[in-house]
Amino acid sequence: SQQGEEDPQALSIQEGENATMNCSYKTSINNLQWYRQNSGRGLVHLILIRSNEREKHSGRLRVTLDTSKKSSSLLITASRAADTASYFCATDAGFGNEKLTFGTGTRLTIIP
Amino acid sequence: DARVTQTPRHKVTEMGQEVTMRCQPILGHNTVFWYRQTMMQGLELLAYFRNRAPLDDSGMPKDRFSAEMPDATLATLKIQPSEPRDSAVYFCASGAPGGHQETQYFGPGTRLLVL
Repeated sequence: SQQGEEDPQALSIQEGENATMNCSYKTSINNLQWYRQNSGRGLVHLILIRSNEREKHSGRLRVTLDTSKKSSSLLITASRAADTASYFCATDAGFGNEKLTFGTGTRLTIIP
Repeated sequence: DARVTQTPRHKVTEMGQEVTMRCQPILGHNTVFWYRQTMMQGLELLAYFRNRAPLDDSGMPKDRFSAEMPDATLATLKIQPSEPRDSAVYFCASGAPGGHQETQYFGPGTRLLVL
């Protein structure tokens, strides 16, 4: 079964707007990662946030983590057409275990 | 520009045939993962290796699937015999050694269609 569940399943916004995606998970984690997948391609790592961190930034990306609610959010600011892709959260199985469990993904469409 | 490579990129075969997918991890990476992605099930972990040793293949149907790492530069995933339900995109990913190197680097995938 999937550890992470993304919400919403699909999101369409106008170029320039901000996009927010959420991820919920079930068990304790060491870290949580977000990946992007363009159509027909492999996944690309975007950002990693550790369980003792609450917020992290990378360029136009902002990730938050609330371990008490077992949830994370990914914010993409000033969206561009090139941001159109599916976004997945992935949780690990604990320190020393490299296994990741991926969520169901959010399909983001940026309308030019 | 180091990247994971996978061959073939596309494979169409008939039910009952053997399928072999190959992956070349990024040089120096010591973990290799095989995933299967379908619309219905999403991204599922099939097997993973560290330093060429299989650590977890619980996600893999053992009766028809097998995964190996003959050497540090090659990982293989075989399906024998293949069935239509095996149709999916199969991804290989590799990870660097180190205590906090959890990031995985994905290949472009092998799109498999079993008729």
